[in-house]
Amino acid sequence: EAGVTQFPSHSVIEKGQTVTLRCDPISGHDNLYWYRRVMGKEIKFLLHFVKESKQDESGMPNNRFLAERTGGTYSTLKVQPAELEDSGVYFCASSHVRGVGYTFGSGTRLTVV
Amino acid sequence: TQLLEQSPQFLSIQEGENLTVYCNSSSVFSSLQWYRQEPGEGPVLLVTVVTGGEVKKLKRLTFQFGDARKDSSLHITAAQPGDTGLYLCAGEGETSGSRLTFGEGTQLTVNP
Repeated sequence: EAGVTQFPSHSVIEKGQTVTLRCDPISGHDNLYWYRRVMGKEIKFLLHFVKESKQDESGMPNNRFLAERTGGTYSTLKVQPAELEDSGVYFCASSHVRGVGYTFGSGTRLTVV
Repeated sequence: TQLLEQSPQFLSIQEGENLTVYCNSSSVFSSLQWYRQEPGEGPVLLVTVVTGGEVKKLKRLTFQFGDARKDSSLHITAAQPGDTGLYLCAGEGETSGSRLTFGEGTQLTVNP
């Protein structure tokens, strides 16, 4: 089966611009997660979708971040306006059953300059 | 806030040596997962342990979950250069839904 796909793999934008990251989970996986790793820190949870519903968005840093999963398939994470501290690697993961090991995508490396 | 302290951060050893990576917390986890990550890729799940005291083996890798479900270890026997990579532990809290708390990772280098 195809894995979790993330696009783009890299993005360099200027402070104040908008960037949209996309994640295509494994087909049939209801659970979709976004995580982020900033330089020198551990991977941190951002939010969790079950189908199209936000189950837990307690990890979202602030209201500049907006995640959507219309139709319960792919998800987008928009950062508007981007700030320097938003730089990092954004990972998406999906799972069929909650609490069972996840399949991660390769990540999107975001650099805000 | 749940924290997972992973040690050591860096480990460089010779082929054939044994090593152990530790993850410790003051919090109880309902499960503990170990991942391995290669440069430019996402973490790949190695194993999930869910029962206190559980031991799982994956070829030369042995994973253990502490009796109190607050700590875990990964032991590699007779390390090989192909074991080189970033090893991550991640815990699922008892009250945190299914979101994972990650350790900072252990960068392992096995020299031939």
